[in-house]
Amino acid sequence: QKEVEQNSGPLSVPEGAIASLNCTYSDRGSQSFFWYRQYSGKSPELIMFIYSNGDKEDGRFTAQLNKASQYVSLLIRDSQPSDSATYLCAVKENGVNFNKFYFGSGTKLNVKP
Amino acid sequence: DGGITQSPKYLFRKEGQNVTLSCEQNLNHDAMYWYRQDPGQGLRLIYYSQIVNDFQKGDIAEGYSVSREKKESFPLTVTSAQKNPTAFYLCASKASGRKNTGELFFGEGSRLTVL
Repeated sequence: QKEVEQNSGPLSVPEGAIASLNCTYSDRGSQSFFWYRQYSGKSPELIMFIYSNGDKEDGRFTAQLNKASQYVSLLIRDSQPSDSATYLCAVKENGVNFNKFYFGSGTKLNVKP
Repeated sequence: DGGITQSPKYLFRKEGQNVTLSCEQNLNHDAMYWYRQDPGQGLRLIYYSQIVNDFQKGDIAEGYSVSREKKESFPLTVTSAQKNPTAFYLCASKASGRKNTGELFFGEGSRLTVL
């Protein structure tokens, strides 16, 4: 079974700091990677997706992908208390099961005012 | 507005009863999914369907059944064979085609509690 690993946290950062969330995956053939934010009791919502090696920036969020190391990360700059949530890393399988996704267990982020 | 509707939002069931969770989407997506989430855990795939009248087992399909008779609908039945059905159930869908981002769109979830 393909695996996606995340540190469960909680990760605590002060307001205004940079939060760094990490994810490793086992399937070397994976091509598509997603970060979802999930507030307690709610469904996940997409933050960012990344397909290519390197960095991808969207506002305060930067996704980083290193396929050689099978590592994807999410940086949140100027963290706000409203960013406090669980962040799920998702990896889309390639090949015949190209519609299949694997999720990590999530990292809980606490941003302290 | 387009989206995914799950019902009911909360459901209580006695042991030994089957229950069916509804999932309807008006996004014209081909692929639909059912995930289970336990407290403090990530999402585990129960079943997914890439096209009407076809579906595949995920990693934890035992004790569950699905159907995909219409593109818009992908109901999940939690049978009495599921040993520990209390969980948060999430339905999702995904567009097809190279121009799409490939992301999953989620419904609001159904929370099932077995008494």
